Amino acid sequence: AQKVTQAQTEISVVEKEDVTLDCVYETRDTTYYLFWYKQPPSGELVFLIRRNSFDEQNEISGRYSWNFQKSTSSFNFTITASQVVDSAVYFCALSEAAYTGANSKLTFGKGITLSVRP
Amino acid sequence: DAGVTQSPTHLIKTRGQQVTLRCSPKSGHDTVSWYQQALGQGPQFIFQYYEEEERQRGNFPDRFSGHQFPNYSSELNVNALLLGDSALYLCASSPEDTSASYEQYFGPGTRLTVT
Repeated sequence: AQKVTQAQTEISVVEKEDVTLDCVYETRDTTYYLFWYKQPPSGELVFLIRRNSFDEQNEISGRYSWNFQKSTSSFNFTITASQVVDSAVYFCALSEAAYTGANSKLTFGKGITLSVRP
Repeated sequence: DAGVTQSPTHLIKTRGQQVTLRCSPKSGHDTVSWYQQALGQGPQFIFQYYEEEERQRGNFPDRFSGHQFPNYSSELNVNALLLGDSALYLCASSPEDTSASYEQYFGPGTRLTVT
């Protein structure tokens, strides 16, 4: 069975600090996809990144960066120079490569509540 | 281009009642998935519809059922409501096209409260 663990439940930082959100996953599949979603107070899940199991290259997008390490089954997310607008709940998710991948069910972690104080 | 829309936004029901939630997928998307998100938890997969049939199902009882219409919109029905069914219900859509990016687009959700 697939499982995603986000051990951190709440993180509070002061604006401009860097913050890393941890994600550890379990799966028996050799092909799988990892995701990060952001959920602001409005409730809608906002897609941030997708990574497939064959691509261990780290990725940077503006202030966001992701570190994928298959050896430790981790897919961590770092926000550099955090801003108040980054305050939200962040979910890591895993999907198997059934069907077309786009349509596989997502297994989510419990989420990390990030509060960025001015 | 409208994204995923869901209705209603909020709903209050009594134990034992039945409820229907609605979802319109993003334009061009033909697959709809439903998730239940209890307070303080991550979303949990309920089921997925494609070509008007349930294709995948999570670990939810038969009280949870759904339907997909020819225009790809979908309904989630929950019978014999329990207090534990109180949650945010999220709808996600995605294209069946295998060349598309592997992303599900989520709607704003329906907040269901069972009293």
